[in-house]
Amino acid sequence: QVQLQESGPGLVNPSETLSLTCAVSGYSISNGYFWGWIRQAPGKGLEWIGSLYHGGSTYSNPSLKSRLTISEDTSKNQFSLKLSSVTAADTAVYYCARHGDISGNYYPFDYWGQGTLVTVSS
Amino acid sequence: DIVMTQSPDSLAVSLGERATIDCKSSQTVLYSSNNKNYLAWYQQRPGQPPKLLIYWASTREAGVPDRFSGSGSGTDFTLTISSLQAEDVAVYYCQQYYTTPWTFGQGTKVEIK
Repeated sequence: QVQLQESGPGLVNPSETLSLTCAVSGYSISNGYFWGWIRQAPGKGLEWIGSLYHGGSTYSNPSLKSRLTISEDTSKNQFSLKLSSVTAADTAVYYCARHGDISGNYYPFDYWGQGTLVTVSS
Repeated sequence: DIVMTQSPDSLAVSLGERATIDCKSSQTVLYSSNNKNYLAWYQQRPGQPPKLLIYWASTREAGVPDRFSGSGSGTDFTLTISSLQAEDVAVYYCQQYYTTPWTFGQGTKVEIK
């Protein structure tokens, strides 16, 4: 069973960098699929942030691309999100999720983490 | 970007009755080379992550009750709950995975009347 678990600070100061990690168990992130981040502002809908495919290919939402870094650590079977210059508008529950398939074809998000709330405030 | 628009924003349905949610994409999500619609539906219960219900517009994910069905093609899609159960109270989202940025509808809240 594939499981994902987000971790990171729950409070970030404005203008600083938000950093989260997603630990994956039950599947090797080196073995295909896309590994992505989605966020949900309080009381709002879902926004795809970005994804990576093993080997270094990353895909970013253009609205966040200039502030976004997504990377992988295959030795720990985890991937990470860094979002710089945050503001209150970045306050949200951040989810990590798997999507695509083993060959890199497009499929929807089938496994999700429980999500972690990140608040941007001083 | 492909904009996904759901209607209605919310609906209240009696237990055992049918619930229908529409989703419209601003451009086609039908890939002509394989004749597949890159459209998924999710259910999000309060305090939970979204759960994949349907993909390819009409294929139920394993374990999803058959009262959930999806239909449509091109730009117009529908999620139907044939007989609403108490556990179906949730927000439902459509999502296109045809092209990046992958985008979601704004959500439809389903409640019991």
